Amino acid sequence: NAGVTQTPKFRVLKTGQSMTLLCAQDMNHEYMYWYRQDPGMGLRLIHYSVGEGTTAKGEVPDGYNVSRLKKQNFLLGLESAAPSQTSVYFCASSRSGRPYEQYFGPGTRLTVT
Amino acid sequence: QQQVKQSPQSLIVQKGGISIINCAYENTAFDYFPWYQQFPGKGPALLIAIRPDVSEKKEGRFTISFNKSAKQFSLHIMDSQPGDSATYFCAARAGGSYIPTFGRGTSLIVHP
Repeated sequence: NAGVTQTPKFRVLKTGQSMTLLCAQDMNHEYMYWYRQDPGMGLRLIHYSVGEGTTAKGEVPDGYNVSRLKKQNFLLGLESAAPSQTSVYFCASSRSGRPYEQYFGPGTRLTVT
Repeated sequence: QQQVKQSPQSLIVQKGGISIINCAYENTAFDYFPWYQQFPGKGPALLIAIRPDVSEKKEGRFTISFNKSAKQFSLHIMDSQPGDSATYFCAARAGGSYIPTFGRGTSLIVHP
């Protein structure tokens, strides 16, 4: 099993450009999450999904959109990138009823210039 | 509002020493307390977890101590090794919630 994979691993964007980060999991998990990690700020939840076709806002959702069209995939979109969105983005998944046991992907390092 | 307060922010320990990381919380609805370990360039990984009906849980050199009355829990790493150098996050989950709350992390460096 590959676990949780993220595409791409690195990306540099110019202000105003858009992009989509892809997260895929092969563990048949119901719940999926997108976090951003910044120095000294820990992990901050952007959006999450508790099932195919459902999404919800987390702590820092502004400037991001998500979609969960298939159970195994969770997409994070930036419509108009800003320098404040420079961060490392992590996707995670967990089994239904066990949201505290999260499996994280390797991360995407995004720089917005 | 920081629901789980983690300290210290950084910690330097000599090889063979004990590393101690503390977390405090206010929400009495929290019912599960996991710890995550993150190596540089990698995603966090679940290390060990405890429920509030248990005061201590040990897995190898890693021990979680839980003090329900004080609303505090801590991670002890015995005989710390350079390979333990990583960032450690405590977390907590309120019953019925889909979202765990993470502490801000502790960067641990173990010197050889």
